[in-house]
Amino acid sequence: GQQLNQSPQSMFIQEGEDVSMNCTSSSIFNTWLWYKQDPGEGPVLLIALYKAGELTSNGRLTAQFGITRKDSFLNISASIPSDVGIYFCAGQATTSGTYKYIFGTGTRLKVLA
Amino acid sequence: DTEVTQTPKHLVMGMTNKKSLKCEQHMGHRAMYWYKQKAKKPPELMFVYSYEKLSINESVPSRFSPECPNSSLLNLHLHALQPEDSALYLCASLQGFTGELFFGEGSRLTVL
Repeated sequence: GQQLNQSPQSMFIQEGEDVSMNCTSSSIFNTWLWYKQDPGEGPVLLIALYKAGELTSNGRLTAQFGITRKDSFLNISASIPSDVGIYFCAGQATTSGTYKYIFGTGTRLKVLA
Repeated sequence: DTEVTQTPKHLVMGMTNKKSLKCEQHMGHRAMYWYKQKAKKPPELMFVYSYEKLSINESVPSRFSPECPNSSLLNLHLHALQPEDSALYLCASLQGFTGELFFGEGSRLTVL
């Protein structure tokens, strides 16, 4: 089946540093979503992307829809301790007229104060 | 308001039990999803209901039985589960105009 690879798998960073992560696929997607998930909780939607090349910001977060439509990128600027968690990308394909979201493998972020 | 409510938050059941997970949204969304998430893994799609009809079943074993009584409610009926079915079960609803998928907090299921 379809698979989305995220990198890095995990990262430790110092508070105040910028963070970059990406998500790549062998398939083309129509929409990319980025989520943050804390332990034992459901994923929380951060950013949605709809067009190739689109760049969208949400506070300190900026995400881009890759021009090949097979990848997406998320940047976090000036990281803070509450940025700790797992970040997932999700790509949307359409099956029988229904939106089907496939999740990436996740990037685990740990921030050192 | 982007709230998806799941109950119960925690559930422990034996392999011979029958139980149900419930999900509710009042955002007028017409597509609802069940995902299963094992520890340190991404969510895996199980079922999608669109306009109250099952539109995607990702070859899920029949011991999981979804039901969509109306456009606001989604149930997942559980019967004769195995210990390996222990996981976080996530419900989500789709904002059809934007394509945004909103998740509930999940139901943590433990099968003994």
